[in-house]
Parts: sequence; structure tokens; C-alpha cells
Amino acid sequence: AQTVTQSQPEMSVQEAETVTLSCTYDTSESDYYLFWYKQPPSRQMILVIRQEAYKQQNATENRFSVNFQKAAKSFSLKISDSQLGDAAMYFCAYRVPAGGTSYGKLTFGQGTILTVHP
Amino acid sequence: DTAVSQTPKYLVTQMGNDKSIKCEQNLGHDTMYWYKQDSKKFLKIMFSYNNKELIINETVPNRFSPKSPDKAHLNLHINSLELGDSAVYFCASSQDGGGGKGHGEQFFGPGTRLTVL
Repeated sequence: AQTVTQSQPEMSVQEAETVTLSCTYDTSESDYYLFWYKQPPSRQMILVIRQEAYKQQNATENRFSVNFQKAAKSFSLKISDSQLGDAAMYFCAYRVPAGGTSYGKLTFGQGTILTVHP
Repeated sequence: DTAVSQTPKYLVTQMGNDKSIKCEQNLGHDTMYWYKQDSKKFLKIMFSYNNKELIINETVPNRFSPKSPDKAHLNLHINSLELGDSAVYFCASSQDGGGGKGHGEQFFGPGTRLTVL
């Protein structure tokens, strides 16, 4: 069974600084997707960034980038120039392509609470 | 023009009651999901429907019964509510057609906070 582990229950960063959130996963699949979702206090789940396992290039979305190490099964999220609005719970998630009994379900990590200090 | 909507957003009820949560998506997606987020914020899949057909049922008690009247709707009915059912329930959708491979993104509704007293 696939598992996703976020070993940092809480992280904090100063506004305008950079922070990295860690995520590791376990799978025997070669084709899969990895995601980071953000959940602010409003509880809405917001997709931050997506990485396809077959792509060697790390995904980037504005101030958010990932360090995807497929052999190490590691998928960390780097937030640059942190803003107060980045404060939220961040979830790492794994998914195989649709098809078969798993049919694309997301497997989530435990979450990391990010605090941004002004 | 909300993409994935859920009603109600909050639900407070007594133990033993039966309740339903409704979900609708206007994204034209073919797959819909129910996730449960417990008090420790852990998110876990409950059900998945593809084109109105049940695909995933993750060891959820029989008291939970999903129903998909059409591709755009996936409702969750819960019988004989228990204290342990208190949680936030999220509906999500994704497009997985075209040979079974989609881009993978799932879009989530705002969640329904269920409190069982």
C-alpha cells in the first residue's frame, strides 16, 4: 500500500524568508502524481503544485517549487518570499493514474502547519 | 460559478439520526470522491464514483451510503449517526477520461463540518 509521510508537524518562517516542507512516500509504482495542497483556516483545500513522476524537471508555480527525488521517494515543497497569506496546513498527496481499483484516489500525508511571522 | 459545492456547510445533529450531505460539480468531470478529515486533520478517501459507478469503497461502515444520480452529483447519506462520525467531509472531483489517464488534479468542495452530539 502506498504511504505518504510528512515528518514535520509544524514549521515556522519569517515573512519574506524561504521555507522547505518535507514529504516522503512509499510506492512500487513507476507512474504516479504528487501534489501539495494548502488548507487555510477557512478549511478549503487548495492545490498548490503538481508533479508527474515521469517528468525529471521539478515543477514551479510562482513562489512555490518542488524538489522531486524519485529514487529517494522524496517530494519537498519550497516556498520563497513567504507571505502572511501562506500560513496554513500543507498536505502532501500521492496518486496513481486513474484505472484499476485505486482509481485515482489521493493518499495524504499527516500535514504540516506553517506559521508565518511578520 | 462555484466549481464544487457542498450543502450544508455545517451540520449539527443528535446521535442516532440520519442525515445527508449533497455535492455538485459544474466542471464536467467524470469522477467524484468523498473524503473524511478527522479531528487530527488526517484526510482519508471514503468513496469514489466514475460516471455514476462506484469504484472505491474504503472499508467504510454500511451506515454510509453514497448515491450518484448523475455525473455531476454525489450525495452521502449517513444512517444512525455516531459520535465518531463527527468530522469534516469533503467532496472532490477530477477528470480521468481519455483512456484512464487524467492530469490528476482533484478539485475540492468547501467541506461539511458534521458534529454529532
